[in-house]
Amino acid sequence: KNQVEQSPQSLIILEGKNCTLQCNYTVSPFSNLRWYKQDTGRGPVSLTIMTFSENTKSNGRYTATLDADTKQSSLHITASQLSDSASYICVVPFGEGQGNLIFGKGTKLSVKP
Amino acid sequence: NAGVTQNPKFQVLKTGQSMTLQCAQDMNHNSMYWYRQDPGMGLRLIYYSASEGTTDKGEVPNGYNVSRLNKREFSLRLESAAPSQTSVYFCASALDRANYGYTFGSGTRLTVV
Repeated sequence: KNQVEQSPQSLIILEGKNCTLQCNYTVSPFSNLRWYKQDTGRGPVSLTIMTFSENTKSNGRYTATLDADTKQSSLHITASQLSDSASYICVVPFGEGQGNLIFGKGTKLSVKP
Repeated sequence: NAGVTQNPKFQVLKTGQSMTLQCAQDMNHNSMYWYRQDPGMGLRLIYYSASEGTTDKGEVPNGYNVSRLNKREFSLRLESAAPSQTSVYFCASALDRANYGYTFGSGTRLTVV
């Protein structure tokens, strides 16, 4: 069964600290994995897309890693800011043409001053 | 450049009432989608339109209908609202079904009492 599992469910950190969010998937065949940021009351916004051949990709203070062998991805946030408070959602396409998406339940991050 | 625009942003319906959620995109995207987001669950696909003139069921289509009015607009209709349809609804668009870059609207928060 195609699944996307994220951990932790929620996380509270102090401003300026680093954190790492995890995503495990059991989608086959695998082509790419996406991380989205969803602010409260808003739609998801794409942070990064990792193809199966990529191991690491950075977008500012966000760094995503992918291990296609263990079917794991992580999103590392460096020097967190209050504006990083949001839900972070891991998404993996599946199926013929890879046009269907499985959304993880997300990790709700709260950055406190 | 507005991206994906959804209307209304909030709506309260009584059980049995009908309503149409509007979605429009100005990015010349071919594919459009309707998702619902419920607490503790990942986004789930209701219906999608791979291109103008076509629509297909997603994971949770029961109780909904859609219309791809033209390339820009994709509406979602609830013919007889039920409390189980209380949710946040997101419209999204992409260049095509296999495109990596989905753009989401800001959502419609629907409550059925």
